[in-house]
Amino acid sequence: KQEVTQIPAALSVPEGENLVLNCSFTDSAIYNLQWFRQDPGKGLTSLLLIQSSQREQTSGRLNASLDKSSGRSTLYIAASQPGDSATYLCAVSNTGNQFYFGTGTSLTVIP
Amino acid sequence: DVKVTQSSRYLVKRTGEKVFLECVQDMDHENMFWYRQDPGLGLRLIYFSYDVKMKEKGDIPEGYSVSREKKERFSLILESASTNQTSMYLCASSLARRSNQPQHFGDGTRLSIL
Repeated sequence: KQEVTQIPAALSVPEGENLVLNCSFTDSAIYNLQWFRQDPGKGLTSLLLIQSSQREQTSGRLNASLDKSSGRSTLYIAASQPGDSATYLCAVSNTGNQFYFGTGTSLTVIP
Repeated sequence: DVKVTQSSRYLVKRTGEKVFLECVQDMDHENMFWYRQDPGLGLRLIYFSYDVKMKEKGDIPEGYSVSREKKERFSLILESASTNQTSMYLCASSLARRSNQPQHFGDGTRLSIL
């Protein structure tokens, strides 16, 4: 069974700093990987989806990379803002259907 | 934009009650999912469905059942609620099997079993 790990569990950075969130997975035979954002008490918002044939995806200040051979993905956030404060979750699918989730990194951007 | 709507944001029920959680999506998605989210455990898949009247067990189906009578609606049923089913329940949908399209989530139902 796929296992997904996100380290660190929590991160605090000053506003304006660039930062990287990490995700690792045990089975490299993935179909795709998705990054989500979750605000307190809310559902998940999809940020980026990387297909297994892709190395990275970009959306605005966000860039997600994928290295299947090492079982790693990173989410890069440029010029962080207080509004970026949330929990970020990584989810991996081996079949394109069922996703396995990490427990997330709680990000606080300090004004 | 895809809209996934869960019928209740907060729900309080008693042990032994039969509980229904409803989820509706408005984008004609084939796939629908029910997860529960617990601190330190992350999201765990309970059941999913690829089509009307079709269901498959996820990682933690015990104590739950589901119903999908119409494509847009996926219901989660707690047959006899227990305190260990107190949790945040999240519904999601996606376009189709192996479509490389993202999952879209509802806002969740925080369920407390007393």
